[in-house]
Amino acid sequence: DSGVTQTPKHLITATGQRVTLRCSPRSGDLSVYWYQQSLDQGLQFLIQYYNGEERAKGNILERFSAQQFPDLHSELNLSSLELGDSALYFCASSDGQGRRQGYTFGSGTRLTVV
Amino acid sequence: AQSVAQPEDQVNVAEGNPLTVKCTYSVSGNPYLFWYVQYPNRGLQFLLKYITGDNLVKGSYGFEAEFNKSQTSFHLKKPSALVSDSALYFCAVRRDQGYSTLTFGKGTMLLVSP
Repeated sequence: DSGVTQTPKHLITATGQRVTLRCSPRSGDLSVYWYQQSLDQGLQFLIQYYNGEERAKGNILERFSAQQFPDLHSELNLSSLELGDSALYFCASSDGQGRRQGYTFGSGTRLTVV
Repeated sequence: AQSVAQPEDQVNVAEGNPLTVKCTYSVSGNPYLFWYVQYPNRGLQFLLKYITGDNLVKGSYGFEAEFNKSQTSFHLKKPSALVSDSALYFCAVRRDQGYSTLTFGKGTMLLVSP
């Protein structure tokens, strides 16, 4: 157990729907990162939050949004889902910027859009 | 901008033989380099990192990596492969100064045959 908890582990939904993925960071970590892993794109950085504030944005679609709450857990909201959004979504956390320690990853949420 | 190239989608090696998984990087300034491993249906697990100091770094499960600044490479190695080493391996980089998130390569699948 890495200490980063992601729920749900699996999600199957229809096109056009909206889903919320949840992440609880490792105890003491202030930063949360969201990554999307697909076969053709590899591991793509979506967004980072640090202590409740958005810190960096990567290749995140406008249909996607995220937030980090006062208890430091984070949610990734995916709306108007398309077949191409099917992927493994990872949350990672770090203390501060994770400059020297890197990130600790959760086990991911597998999203299937049908 | 920073980037990582893992030129091989897959590496095949027989058990007991040495293995190398290649990684080259591009970053402004000095790099912090990481290797992660992903087993099926699991999150990424930290293997090892180069921050500063000795160019040969040792990590978990008998893996090591050699930092070569002139060739901008950080190849992952193991003297004797095990079937249980079969997994997806990711190289990642960030710069040592200022702000940046970890940028990952596309991953290399390592298959160790008995």
